Amino acid sequence: QKEVEQDPGPLSVPEGAIVSLNCTYSNSAFQYFMWYRQYSRKGPELLMYTYSSGNKEDGRFTAQVDKSSKYISLFIRDSQPSDSATYLCAMRRSPFQGAQKLVFGQGTRLTINP
Amino acid sequence: GAVVSQHPSWVICKSGTSVKIECRSLDFQATTMFWYRQFPKQSLMLMATSNEGSKATYEQGVEKDKFLINHASLTLSTLTVTSAHPEDSSFYICSASDSATNYGYTFGSGTRLTVV
Repeated sequence: QKEVEQDPGPLSVPEGAIVSLNCTYSNSAFQYFMWYRQYSRKGPELLMYTYSSGNKEDGRFTAQVDKSSKYISLFIRDSQPSDSATYLCAMRRSPFQGAQKLVFGQGTRLTINP
Repeated sequence: GAVVSQHPSWVICKSGTSVKIECRSLDFQATTMFWYRQFPKQSLMLMATSNEGSKATYEQGVEKDKFLINHASLTLSTLTVTSAHPEDSSFYICSASDSATNYGYTFGSGTRLTVV
């Protein structure tokens, strides 16, 4: 069993729709959670990070963490064609123990259709 | 915000030659940098963790003699693919951790290596 599971999709939705992307994890030591967006042939770009259960909002993006269920989500409101990309969840142990490697999900390929 | 510069973005080399990829943190110090390899439509695979002034830590299955990593300063790490072969063709990406915060990891733009 992989430490982090993410549905690879592909996921295709119409412009303006609300998108829900999800990851589950098995290691309760993970304390810090991130969502990255990666366009084709580019490096990943950090979208959101959080280390507590609950919701964190940034513009059209909302990150949700449920540590009791080991489940994280990213919601995209009013989706735009420019949101078409691969979205990767990532997580790590406590950030206060120095730099530690990230564990990534498989990535979900998202297409927003005009 | 933190910026990581990676060069070259694209390189073609002949089989048997070596290629060096540079990863620089432009506006912060990075005690630790990470090197990844990514195949088409797949997630990132961690190759090694690079620590300034010490030897890199390689993930299981990664040949340290083939993928040489040097992290000689707090702003520069290099990955050298030695005696490259067509199966080494891939997308290589570095990331750096800001030593001041250790919160977010910033990624470079990646290097597409093609070995012919």
